[in-house]
Amino acid sequence: EDKVVQSPLSLVVHEGDTVTLNCSYEVTNFRSLLWYKQEKKAPTFLFMLTSSGIEKKSGRLSSILDKKELFSILNITATQTGDSAIYLCAVAGNKLVFGAGTILRVKS
Amino acid sequence: GAVVSQHPSWVICKSGTSVKIECRSLDFQATTMFWYRQFPKQSLMLMATSNEGSKATYEQGVEKDKFLINHASLTLSTLTVTSAHPEDSSFYICSASAGTGILYEQYFGPGTRLTVT
Repeated sequence: EDKVVQSPLSLVVHEGDTVTLNCSYEVTNFRSLLWYKQEKKAPTFLFMLTSSGIEKKSGRLSSILDKKELFSILNITATQTGDSAIYLCAVAGNKLVFGAGTILRVKS
Repeated sequence: GAVVSQHPSWVICKSGTSVKIECRSLDFQATTMFWYRQFPKQSLMLMATSNEGSKATYEQGVEKDKFLINHASLTLSTLTVTSAHPEDSSFYICSASAGTGILYEQYFGPGTRLTVT
């Protein structure tokens, strides 16, 4: 059965810190890995990764995929209170499977 | 771009009644739409995948007669929860993709909070 595991489950940091969120997976027929940010409502799309070793970057957020070791990381540098959210990793195999998410809280 | 809306954003209904939730892609044609439900402090669980003009594909354990999905046009999909019960109370989220299946980015609607009393 397809599986996506995120770690840590929750994290509390101070503004300005850098955080790394992890996502490991086991899926059949891997096609892509996606990262989402979920605040009070539905998730908003951050990145889609399909190739190993190519970093995707958007402002203070970046992500990279390792298809050999079956994991991805999401980095957030110089964190701000507005980064507080649940970060979801999802892997598209035969269907889209979500991890349980990492709850990030950034304290001012 | 890539905006998906859902209506209503929240609904309270009595046990035994049916509720219809609409999902619209506002600025693109959604070949595929997905319906998820999310329980408190849990991740999203895929309920079904629908392609425009064809029957939805339901995930294992999801009752297709209870959760009726219609994807009548490239911009609209509806989920009807029939004969709702309190255990159906959940956050229902749709997403839409411009491509077929899951190779393309999915854009999520804002979700519908359903409470069955």
